[in-house]
Amino acid sequence: GEDVEQSLFLSVREGDSSVINCTYTDSSSTYLYWYKQEPGAGLQLLTYIFSNMDMKQDQRLTVLLNKKDKHLSLRIADTQTGDSAIYFCAETPENTGFQKLVFGTGTRLLVSP
Amino acid sequence: DAMVIQNPRYQVTQFGKPVTLSCSQTLNHNVMYWYQQKSSQAPKLLFHYYDKDFNNEADTPDNFQSRRPNTSFCFLDIRSPGLGDAAMYLCATSRGLAGRTDTQYFGPGTRLTVL
Repeated sequence: GEDVEQSLFLSVREGDSSVINCTYTDSSSTYLYWYKQEPGAGLQLLTYIFSNMDMKQDQRLTVLLNKKDKHLSLRIADTQTGDSAIYFCAETPENTGFQKLVFGTGTRLLVSP
Repeated sequence: DAMVIQNPRYQVTQFGKPVTLSCSQTLNHNVMYWYQQKSSQAPKLLFHYYDKDFNNEADTPDNFQSRRPNTSFCFLDIRSPGLGDAAMYLCATSRGLAGRTDTQYFGPGTRLTVL
């Protein structure tokens, strides 16, 4: 089955690092994604990781994948007030024939000055 | 430059009155998706089109229909909206690449209110 869970809320101070966690249940997932949703807006793809990788770094973003524990995390270095948003992890189950995204519940990140 | 456009951004309808939401894209992508996102919940896929092929999710209510008259446009029709259909409706597109990651580009969404 497909189930993706995240903590609901994270509050950090500007300049600190933020770590957003996600757990998933579908071991056949091939790709895992992080999306950002600002208020009143659609979803913006931040980064993704293929399931045979442990880590991916992209500027201020670091994605860590522990496939054994089915745990995915997104670290944002030097968090800015503009990073305040809801962050969704998502997985793509294998062999769906198209990119079916199963989203987590979303983590609301609040960055205070 | 807007790539996935949704109109209107806000839609108010009455209980039981049919409503149509619109999505257009300038990316010439093969796949178009419709998601429903209720307050404080994850987006949930309703259906998608791969070119003209319509693919419905198993748990999408019959009340929801879709049309794709051409590559650029896709419509979501709600035949008899109920109070439980109030949500943000997100349209997305992707190239439809097989065997590799296929980025979905989302529109800004249409927030539907049912009175």
